[in-house]
Amino acid sequence: DIQMTQSPSSLSASVGDRVTITCRASQGISNYLAWYQQKPGKVPKLLIYAASTLQSGVPSRFSGSGSGTDFTLTINSLQPEDVATYYCQKYNSAPFTFGPGTKVDIK
Amino acid sequence: EVQLVESGGGLVQPGGSLRLSCAASGFTFRSNWMSWVRQAPGKGLEWVANIKQDGSEKYYVDSVKGRFTISRDNAKNSLYLQLNSLRAEDTAVYYCARGGFGELFPIFYWGQGTLVTVSS
Repeated sequence: DIQMTQSPSSLSASVGDRVTITCRASQGISNYLAWYQQKPGKVPKLLIYAASTLQSGVPSRFSGSGSGTDFTLTINSLQPEDVATYYCQKYNSAPFTFGPGTKVDIK
Repeated sequence: EVQLVESGGGLVQPGGSLRLSCAASGFTFRSNWMSWVRQAPGKGLEWVANIKQDGSEKYYVDSVKGRFTISRDNAKNSLYLQLNSLRAEDTAVYYCARGGFGELFPIFYWGQGTLVTVSS
């Protein structure tokens, strides 16, 4: 099975900073990659799918890029409400594995 | 408004069984792939299983194969997960989740989850 890794596992940044999270697949998955945000005590929420397509209603400061094995989630101008854990997920074939998550908080 | 409401969680002894249910509303249930995702306390998300619109295709993560069974009843707009031979490591919040019209879609909607605790 394809393994998903994320880096860093956690980060602390200031309000207004640009934040970048990386997700890597152990084999190519084309652009079948989604990003989710899970705020503390809440249900996960889809942010981006097809590696770079912003889900309806998601602020434009979130963006995604990549294809094949390497993907990036970028938050331009980090806001206090962005404190959360971010997960990538591959969905090119079962099992639809999630990455281990990246915890983002405010410095 | 899409709603997914899970039920059936609880405390069960190791080796025991449980059946989770998910009541769906606000969309055409029979038109979507459906999934179960779990999250152990303080841990990350783990995709568990998914099922095609007509139930003809089902896929599972290796750790639950042979123990868990996903099913659906389109007439009742309901998704199920039968959990057998439960282990302590199956302790988690189990989320019902809606995918897209094809297999290769992400999860667009999530339920609030139901907690399964496996302990003696």
